[in-house]
Order: sequence, then C-alpha cells, then structure tokens
Amino acid sequence: DQQVKQNSPSLSVQEGRISILNCDYTNSMFDYFLWYKKYPAEGPTFLISISSIKDKNEDGRFTVFLNKSAKHLSLHIVPSQPGDSAVYFCAASAREYGNKLVFGAGTILRVKS
Amino acid sequence: GAGVSQSPSNKVTEKGKDVELRCDPISGHTALYWYRQSLGQGLEFLIYFQGNSAPDKSGLPSDRFSAERTGGSVSTLTIQRTQQEDSAVYLCASSSGRTSGRGSSYEQYFGPGTRLTVT
Repeated sequence: DQQVKQNSPSLSVQEGRISILNCDYTNSMFDYFLWYKKYPAEGPTFLISISSIKDKNEDGRFTVFLNKSAKHLSLHIVPSQPGDSAVYFCAASAREYGNKLVFGAGTILRVKS
Repeated sequence: GAGVSQSPSNKVTEKGKDVELRCDPISGHTALYWYRQSLGQGLEFLIYFQGNSAPDKSGLPSDRFSAERTGGSVSTLTIQRTQQEDSAVYLCASSSGRTSGRGSSYEQYFGPGTRLTVT
C-alpha cells in the first residue's frame, strides 16, 4: 500500500517558467511533509518542508502548498532554472511513527534552457 | 562540518555472501535511519535508531537484515546470505532528534549511499 504517491514520473519545463510537482498521501496521521531533491549518485538533499498546521511555506524560489482535506501537497519552483533538473521526492512523517519518512517514488524534473 | 558519510560507495557481491555497509552520521545527531532505493522506486524505510532507545526495525524486509549502532554514532547494516533482490542503493540519514524548529528531527540529512549489486 503506497501511502505517498507522486503520479507524474517526469516533468519537463522551460527555463524561467513555473515547475509544479504534485504529491498525494493517504494516511491522515502524517503531520509533516518534506521535499527532497536528488542528483544522480548523490543522496537526497532536504529542500523544504511544511507542518500540517500550515497550508503554505515559502523559501526563495520554492513554495510548498498543503491541502489537508484533499491530502495533497505541491511544490512550486519559480522561476525554474536548469540547475533544478533532478529527481524530486515527496516525503511524509508522523510523530507517532518515530519520524521515519515515507517517500513517494519521485518525479524527474527537466528544466530546458 | 562534515555530512553523513557511507562506505563503501559501491559493493558487488556474489549471491549468498554476507555484506556490511557502514554509516557515519553527522556529529551530534542522535537519530539515524537506514533506507534503500531499488531501481525505479522511491526510498523504502528499513530501520531507525534514536539515542539509547530500542531501534525501530519495522522496515527490515527479512531476518537476513540487521543493523547496529555502536556508541550512539557509527552504524553498520548487515545483510546475510545476499539475494539478487537485495540489489539497491542503501542510504543512511541522520537528524538532530529535536522535535521542532529548524533542524528538527523531521529534517533528515542523507549520505551518498552504497550501491549494492548482488550477482
């Protein structure tokens, strides 16, 4: 049972435009959500997070939106840059589960210059 | 400061052999996690250590997998009698163990991983 789903395996965006990566979850116990970025042959790097008590968190070009009623979150990158090309993983966590992360399968983002 | 390090970076082993993978977490981080990523898949939780508490082993796929964390720092993941389906990238992460604020326990910092290939 996949509790965190990223239904788009890949996304291609023109440089300067907005990238929107989507993530859905099924477990209502999740209370914290994170986005990680991964380059080939490297471990994932933390990008941005949001607590379930908020519906938006912004950090520079990156904004995460959370819709609890829909169990949906999204990552917006604007403007997109070629260096943003990577695999993006959505992850969810619950204090009751010891904060271990449940990851989606990832979305490959390609930003074309 | 130094990030999470893992060794070896690559390991090729024959089916049936035992392997040990090592993780050095960020100094001062009390929580340590092991995940694996199989080809085309997301990261799968394996085991979690928090301070001196008993580890959460709920993600270990079989009793061939075990892990230790000595002295609250370095961790070793051992896979006995490896099978081809064990081939994956094994990732270690650590976190501060704090429950709120920037750098909270939710934010895990990953090492580069060990790519294990079982032939």
